[in-house]
Amino acid sequence: AQSVSQHNHHVILSEAASLELGCNYSYGGTVNLFWYVQYPGQHLQLLLKYFSGDPLVKGIKGFEAEFIKSKFSFNLRKPSVQWSDTAEYFCAVNGYGGATNKLIFGTGTLLAVQP
Amino acid sequence: DAGITQSPRHKVTETGTPVTLRCHQTENHRYMYWYRQDPGHGLRLIHYSYGVKDTDKGEVSDGYSVSRSKTEDFLLTLESATSSQTSVYFCAISGGQGNTEAFFGQGTRLTVV
Repeated sequence: AQSVSQHNHHVILSEAASLELGCNYSYGGTVNLFWYVQYPGQHLQLLLKYFSGDPLVKGIKGFEAEFIKSKFSFNLRKPSVQWSDTAEYFCAVNGYGGATNKLIFGTGTLLAVQP
Repeated sequence: DAGITQSPRHKVTETGTPVTLRCHQTENHRYMYWYRQDPGHGLRLIHYSYGVKDTDKGEVSDGYSVSRSKTEDFLLTLESATSSQTSVYFCAISGGQGNTEAFFGQGTRLTVV
């Protein structure tokens, strides 16, 4: 069975600080990995995704994530956060094989950026 | 935004009544998902579908059933609503096995009183 763990439940940063949010997954086969963002009152939007190739992926709004297969990790980073990055961030894993395409999410990290 | 419509957007219902939530897509995507979102729990998968009439259970399927009689519609039914099913429900769609991201609907806020 696949699962996702996000270790930081609530993060508070000042503007211009660097961000790193942890994500670990459990799955024995090939995975696709995602980070989604949810701004207050809105639905989830894709930040970035990893399917294969370069383990360092870049997404929208200056976010990036690194896939470390040996650690089953896919941590999200941003060098300098802005107040507008205040949102909830979700890591997700899609372990595939056969006909199904099950997409499982972590519990989320609530990021508050103080001006 | 991808063509996903959830209905209703808000609903208040009484304990013990049946409730059906609808997800409609215009993208002809194969995969459809129902999640519930609750504080501290993130998004939890209720059921998903990998084709017409092909569905499977997710992490929190007890008390829920689904049906997919055509590609564009995925229905979530609460046979007898309970207060623990008060939540925000999101539908998502995905186009291909393994290689595409999911797109989300706007959500349905369900309150069971």
